[in-house]
Amino acid sequence: EAGVTQSPTHLIKTRGQQVTLRCSPISGHTSVYWYQQALGLGLQFLLWYDEGEERNRGNFPPRFSGRQFPNYSSELNVNALELEDSALYLCASVRDRGTGGGNTEAFFGQGTRLTVV
Amino acid sequence: GESVGLHLPTLSVQEGDNSIINCAYSNSASDYFIWYKQESGKGPQFIIDIRSNMDKRQGQRVTVLLNKTVKHLSLQIAATQPGDSAVYFCAEKEGYSTLTFGKGTMLLVSP
Repeated sequence: EAGVTQSPTHLIKTRGQQVTLRCSPISGHTSVYWYQQALGLGLQFLLWYDEGEERNRGNFPPRFSGRQFPNYSSELNVNALELEDSALYLCASVRDRGTGGGNTEAFFGQGTRLTVV
Repeated sequence: GESVGLHLPTLSVQEGDNSIINCAYSNSASDYFIWYKQESGKGPQFIIDIRSNMDKRQGQRVTVLLNKTVKHLSLQIAATQPGDSAVYFCAEKEGYSTLTFGKGTMLLVSP
């Protein structure tokens, strides 16, 4: 079974540009979480998609957006890039909705390292 | 010993020792908890999970303890190995909601 795959693995962009990051979840997983991890810091929640809908978003400006496709893959878009957007962007794929009684194991991809110069 | 680094608290142990990594979580209604290991340049790797109706769960060389009274979670690693050196994160979740991460602890294992 393939794990969570993210692309690209590394990316260098210039301030003001736009970027799109991609995530393919584990087969059968319907939920995708996106996190930002700045160097040496913890994981900051960005967005959560389930069944094609945005379920929650973290404390990030509107220039961070995304979507989930019918095959449950997801994109994260960042507009008007700023230097402080440089980080590792992680996608996690979740097995079920965790509505009680079942596990909600979340498995991560290897991330996309974004550098804004 | 345990010390606070520039960004992350750090736990330094000798190979073969048992390690205990602690996590204070924030939401008393959280009902599911996960420990992750993150090596440099890689995504977090699932280690072990526990639901709130349990206070202890064991895996291979790892044990997670949950104390809901004081909102505390710990990860015990038996016979720590150099390959265990990494940053460890706890994460919490309440029902159908966001998975929220703690700040992380760096574990350094000396041969």
